This record gives sequence, C-alpha cells and structure tokens, in this order.
Amino acid sequence: DTAVSQTPKYLVTQMGNDKSIKCEQNLGHDTMYWYKQDSKKFLKIMFSYNNKELIINETVPNRFSPKSPDKAHLNLHINSLELGDSAVYFCASSQLTDTQYFGPGTRLTVL
Amino acid sequence: EDQVTQSPEALRLQEGESSSLNCSYTVSGLRGLFWYRQDPGKGPEFLFTLYSAGEEKEKERLKATLTKKESFLHITAPKPEDSATYLCAVQGDFQGGSEKLVFGKGMKLTVNP
Repeated sequence: DTAVSQTPKYLVTQMGNDKSIKCEQNLGHDTMYWYKQDSKKFLKIMFSYNNKELIINETVPNRFSPKSPDKAHLNLHINSLELGDSAVYFCASSQLTDTQYFGPGTRLTVL
Repeated sequence: EDQVTQSPEALRLQEGESSSLNCSYTVSGLRGLFWYRQDPGKGPEFLFTLYSAGEEKEKERLKATLTKKESFLHITAPKPEDSATYLCAVQGDFQGGSEKLVFGKGMKLTVNP
C-alpha cells in the first residue's frame, strides 16, 4: 500500500565508509528524485531521474552517485562519508512535472 | 535563481485561533506553487498545488491562495492535530527537463489545546 518507500530508515556509520539508500515507488510515476534536508530542516534537490535517465544533478559532490535500475527504483550510493553528510535524505516521485510525493526519509548519521 | 521565503519561521496558536502563513517567491515563470505538511520524523505530505494568480484551494481547515508574488495558507479554527511544519515550494519554467522544487525553510506551527 506504501506509495514511496525507503530503506533503511536510520543509518549510523563511521566517517570514510560507503553506504547506500534504496527507494522504491509503486505509483507508476516516471520521475524520481533525491532531496537532502539539513539540520535546519531546509529541503534541497540533489538529483532527479526520468525513465532511468539523469535529468537534474545539482551541485553535489562526486561521492554521491544515484542509480536507477528501472523507473520504479532510485538508489543513492555515497562514498567516503563525511561528517557533513549527516542529514535526512528523502526520495520523491512524480508523473512528469506534476505533484511530487515523498518517502518517509532516511536519517543518516556519520560519526 | 528561484527563491522562496516563508514567514513567520514559527507560530504558536491557541486552539480555534485562526491565522495565516506567508510564502513569498521569485521564480522565472511559475509552473506551480506547492504546499506540504511535514510531521516530525516523516516525509513531506502533499496539501495543495496552485498554478495561477487568483487561484484558491481548500481542504478541511486549510485554504491556500496565490498572487503573483506570494501565497498564503490560511488556517481557520486550528486544532492541535494541525501542529506541524508547513513547507512552501515553487516549480519554475521547464528548462532542460528541470522539474525540481525549490523549497522555503518551512514554518513550524504549534496549536495549543
């Protein structure tokens, strides 16, 4: 029944590690996004994919790499984690440029 | 660059005390203005989309309005369950496939019983 789901919900890791966050949507949408919400609750776009093609790539370090195996999934892989990567990461999906629906978020804590 | 400013940053109301939240924006051609509600530890929940100046939408105790420079979220006779952070976002002209939303910093509403 869940529209946009993310795993894991919490992720605690050491600096320098590599981690992945997974996102799946069952809404049949063709566009998916990754947003980052910092400690001040400011939500900012990182990437968007349309039918497995990268559309938006904001000024994000190369350590972040999105991958879309199919249009229902968009994963985020982060290499060499840094303290400043600690945040809540949200996945979202939409049909073309229509309303975006958000997942529950993944709280990443880098120690 | 598209920008969104929300005010006030936080608002505390008594149950039943109506008020309005402001979202002012600058965007190169507005495709849509979106209101979301976010509860602690959860993802933003969609409330409204407004597309053109003069448009209004309502849902229960909430009413959103839009002008060429700002949007208001009016809350009538709020209840404690309306307590949340309200986010405003704009989507500008479709340039090179950019469907991104630009968010404001949000407005934390607390409604006391």
